[in-house]
Amino acid sequence: IQLTQSPSLLSASVGDRVTLSCKGSQNINNYLAWYQQKLGEAPKLLIYNTNSLQTGIPSRFSGSGSGTDYTLTISSLQPEDVATYFCYQYNNGNTFGAGTKLELK
Amino acid sequence: QVQLKESGPGLVQPSQTLSLTCTVSGFSLTSYNVHWVRQPTGKGLEWMGVIWTGGSTDYNSALKSRLSISRDTSKSQVFLKMNSLQTEDIATYYCARDYYSGGGRHYFDYWGQGVMVTVSS
Repeated sequence: IQLTQSPSLLSASVGDRVTLSCKGSQNINNYLAWYQQKLGEAPKLLIYNTNSLQTGIPSRFSGSGSGTDYTLTISSLQPEDVATYFCYQYNNGNTFGAGTKLELK
Repeated sequence: QVQLKESGPGLVQPSQTLSLTCTVSGFSLTSYNVHWVRQPTGKGLEWMGVIWTGGSTDYNSALKSRLSISRDTSKSQVFLKMNSLQTEDIATYYCARDYYSGGGRHYFDYWGQGVMVTVSS
């Protein structure tokens, strides 16, 4: 399964609602996770099974989707959210998306 | 708490073998699987392989002929060895703990900080 993330680069302002997209080439059956990777750091799990928030992750992060189309939403962008966000499917083998780089406008 | 930490040489000569160690704490290797994932600078993540709780392994088919993953449960260490290194193997190498989601599906819940590996003479 191939994953296509869009946009590849997103500029937004503090307080904005931000939506990141991840589309699979086949049905992912909700077995999709989102990771946040800040510069020079290890990836951090944000969301698993499409919409389950990992322990300790702020509630401004949420996930949704079904079938082949999935979304990560940040309800109110904070400065510390500047990072690259990867989606990852584990329904059939395992595949990472290429990432969306989120920066402040 | 759960921690994973990669270690190993940052520089490997072309055609030589890369040897990395992932030292874990806060969990047992007989209870959790551990994966290796790499990331070329500025590029996406690539799954390399996994060592299961029982000690068996699975590898990315593209790397299988060059890659070996093993462990020492008494030392809480997982080892990666990959031979015939080339410039295409320049990347940050991560180990990550597996979380079983059910139905044979797994994702990664904790990652190490990663180790940068350069291939150069």
